[in-house]
Amino acid sequence: AQSVTQLDSQVPVFEEAPVELRCNYSSSVSVYLFWYVQYPNQGLQLLLKYLSGSTLVKGINGFEAEFNKSQTSFHLRKPSVHISDTAEYFCAVSFYNQGGKLIFGQGTELSVKP
Amino acid sequence: KAGVTQTPRYLIKTRGQQVTLSCSPISGHRSVSWYQQTPGQGLQFLFEYFSETQRNKGNFPGRFSGRQFSNSRSEMNVSTLELGDSALYLCASGPSGGRNEQFFGPGTRLTVL
Repeated sequence: AQSVTQLDSQVPVFEEAPVELRCNYSSSVSVYLFWYVQYPNQGLQLLLKYLSGSTLVKGINGFEAEFNKSQTSFHLRKPSVHISDTAEYFCAVSFYNQGGKLIFGQGTELSVKP
Repeated sequence: KAGVTQTPRYLIKTRGQQVTLSCSPISGHRSVSWYQQTPGQGLQFLFEYFSETQRNKGNFPGRFSGRQFSNSRSEMNVSTLELGDSALYLCASGPSGGRNEQFFGPGTRLTVL
């Protein structure tokens, strides 16, 4: 079965500290990987995506993620977070033969404290 | 380009009623997907339309239906509303789906009383 697991439901961190949000997926077919961010009362905004090629992808707002095929992981990282990064983050996968269907993880609530 | 728009933004209905939500995709996008977001179940895929045809369907009962028009605008209908249908309904559009990113609208917050 195809699934996405975000290993931490909540991640508290102090401002200017580094952060890693973990994501693992399960699939028997090739996948495309995404990280989205959702601010309160808003829709989802794409942070970054992995389609093919270099396993290290850079996104907006200083975020980056690394695709690890052997560990079926796609962890999101930022070297120094800001208060404004407080939001919910979702890892998602789509499949080359399933159109635009996205399967999401349960989300990680990132809370940045001063 | 204008983003994905959803109307209405907020809705309050009572059990047993039906509701129709609307989504206008980004100009040129032919794929429109719908998702239900709840605190307990998270983000769940409802269905995807591409060129007026349903291309994918999630695991929701038949009370949830949708359609897409020739201009790619999409509507989602929920009949015989239940309390558990209270959720944020998100619409996303993309050029063709799959490897392309999906652009999300702000959502419609449906409350069923």
